[in-house]
Amino acid sequence: DTGVSQDPRHKITKRGQNVTFRCDPISEHNRLYWYRQTLGQGPEFLTYFQNEAQLEKSRLLSDRFSAERPKGSFSTLEIQRTEQGDSAMYLCASSATGGETQYFGPGTRLLVL
Amino acid sequence: AQRVTQPEKLLSVFKGAPVELKCNYSYSGSPELFWYVQYSRQRLQLLLRHISRESIKGFTADLNKGETSFHLKKPFAQEEDSAMYYCALTALSGGFKTIFGAGTRLFVKA
Repeated sequence: DTGVSQDPRHKITKRGQNVTFRCDPISEHNRLYWYRQTLGQGPEFLTYFQNEAQLEKSRLLSDRFSAERPKGSFSTLEIQRTEQGDSAMYLCASSATGGETQYFGPGTRLLVL
Repeated sequence: AQRVTQPEKLLSVFKGAPVELKCNYSYSGSPELFWYVQYSRQRLQLLLRHISRESIKGFTADLNKGETSFHLKKPFAQEEDSAMYYCALTALSGGFKTIFGAGTRLFVKA
């Protein structure tokens, strides 16, 4: 197991387009987290899953954002009608259980033009 | 609501000097505190967590519930300690949501 992976690593898109990111967690981890990180800030919580269930979604997350983890394995994060303010690093992490160490992926850097 | 504050954005020390990275938190329930580190061109990774009470790479951190602090300390800084350090709090009651501080960049000068 090579750890948490994310795809793509970089994405440039035009304002108004939809984008989708994928995260593959460590295989035996049942918790999966999405964060957003902007310059000079720490990772900001977006949402997390236990297996396929989405347990919490940040109030900062607009309706343009949606995440899924259909079979309790990989997860996707979709942003519809992207805006320039969506430009950020999107991080995925997984953990064996809640409260345990999170293992992070390399992130997907999004640039909205 | 959970909150994590790291008051210093940048900390610069000389090699061999002691270092302390400050972290204060706000949370009414039972927290689990972590320090994560990001070295240049690497992904974010765990440095240590308070429940394990370990010393990793010479770093220690003590949870002070009275002062709601979890400061990271090392008696003798090394150049390879230069990195971005994030303090994080996971709420153990009500869902295990994790909140990160804004981070402190540590620069250890030769």
